[in-house]
Amino acid sequence: DAGVIQSPRHEVTEMGQEVTLRCKPISGHNSLFWYRQTMMRGLELLIYFNNNVPIDDSGMPEDRFSAKMPNASFSTLKIQPSEPRDSAVYFCASSRIQGTYGYTFGSGTRLTVV
Amino acid sequence: QQQVKQSPQSLIVQKGGISIINCAYENTAFDYFPWYQQFPGKGPALLIAIRPDVSEKKEGRFTISFNKSAKQFSLHIMDSQPGDSATYFCAASKDGGSTLGRLYFGRGTQLTVWP
Repeated sequence: DAGVIQSPRHEVTEMGQEVTLRCKPISGHNSLFWYRQTMMRGLELLIYFNNNVPIDDSGMPEDRFSAKMPNASFSTLKIQPSEPRDSAVYFCASSRIQGTYGYTFGSGTRLTVV
Repeated sequence: QQQVKQSPQSLIVQKGGISIINCAYENTAFDYFPWYQQFPGKGPALLIAIRPDVSEKKEGRFTISFNKSAKQFSLHIMDSQPGDSATYFCAASKDGGSTLGRLYFGRGTQLTVWP
């Protein structure tokens, strides 16, 4: 089991540019979560999907953020245009809907917007 | 508002000592309380979890104590080791921890164990 795979691991971009973060959940997991981690705000849930359908996107900070899950094995989080305050570590996690298996997190993408 | 409040923000413990991290919640519908451990450069990983039908759960050196009436739960790390140095997150959810009820995380505690 390769775990939750995120790419890229690090991203440095200029303000105003589009950024796309990618996530491959664990095979068989049917829930996927996008989190943002900062020192000031801790772990924030941005959006989550059950069976590829967005369930709760109330954590998405602004219209500049969008997320898609076109199939069970792939999701993207896009920021357009990016701003310096978007700098953070973005985590993807996956889980099974039923049962208490807990979330499995990826290693994260460290985004720096300059 | 913060659904789960965690303290302290940081903790320094001597090797061999006991590390204690506390969490409190308000929503009485919560019925699943996991703890996650995060090392630098890694994502959080599930460490141990408890349900409110028991007051304590132990796995090796890690113990969760749960006080339903006080709506508090805590993580105790016995014989703390330098390798335990990490950030610890408490969390809570409804519906038995299934993702019908999402996890609400505390703000985290950065633990440093000095050799």
